[in-house]
Amino acid sequence: DAGVTQSPTHLIKTRGQQVTLRCSPKSGHDTVSWYQQALGQGPQFIFQYYEEEERQRGNFPDRFSGHQFPNYSSELNVNALLLGDSALYLCASSLDRTSYEQYFGPGTRLTVT
Amino acid sequence: GDSVTQMEGPVTLSEEAFLTINCTYTATGYPSLFWYVQYPGEGLQLLLKATKADDKGSNKGFEATYRKETTSFHLEKGSVQVSDSAVYFCALTPMNRDDKIIFGKGTRLHILP
Repeated sequence: DAGVTQSPTHLIKTRGQQVTLRCSPKSGHDTVSWYQQALGQGPQFIFQYYEEEERQRGNFPDRFSGHQFPNYSSELNVNALLLGDSALYLCASSLDRTSYEQYFGPGTRLTVT
Repeated sequence: GDSVTQMEGPVTLSEEAFLTINCTYTATGYPSLFWYVQYPGEGLQLLLKATKADDKGSNKGFEATYRKETTSFHLEKGSVQVSDSAVYFCALTPMNRDDKIIFGKGTRLHILP
């Protein structure tokens, strides 16, 4: 049973560019959450998707957007990249919206130069 | 708002030493509490959880007790191993079950052989 997978593993972008990160949830899971983990910090909640809609959002600007597909996979898009967007981006899936047990992927390391 | 505070690292111990990593929280009502572990190069893994006051979560020799009176959830292990070297995150999900996880900043643990 594959766990949560994310792609790409690493990414280098220039300020002002746009980036798309991808996530496939654990088999049987229909809810996907995204987190940003800056170096030396704990993960910060960006948003959560369920039934192809954004259900909750953390304190992140509109430059951060997402999408969930009918197969429950998800994308995180970041526009107009800033140096401060450099971080590890984690995707987590859960069985449903009422489950507090989330399973994390290995993350995508984004470096903005 | 809800928050988690955990002891700063790094924490360096010798193999077979006793481990305590302190964690306190601020939240309304009765949040669910978690410890996550992040091994080098890997994603976050749920280590243990407790969902109500006085519950004790345990896994792989680690334990933590949900103390409502002191708003604490300290992580303990009686005899650490080199393989326990990792970053440990204390976390909570709010009582309203909105499913986002609020993490502490993490504590890096080094175990010396």
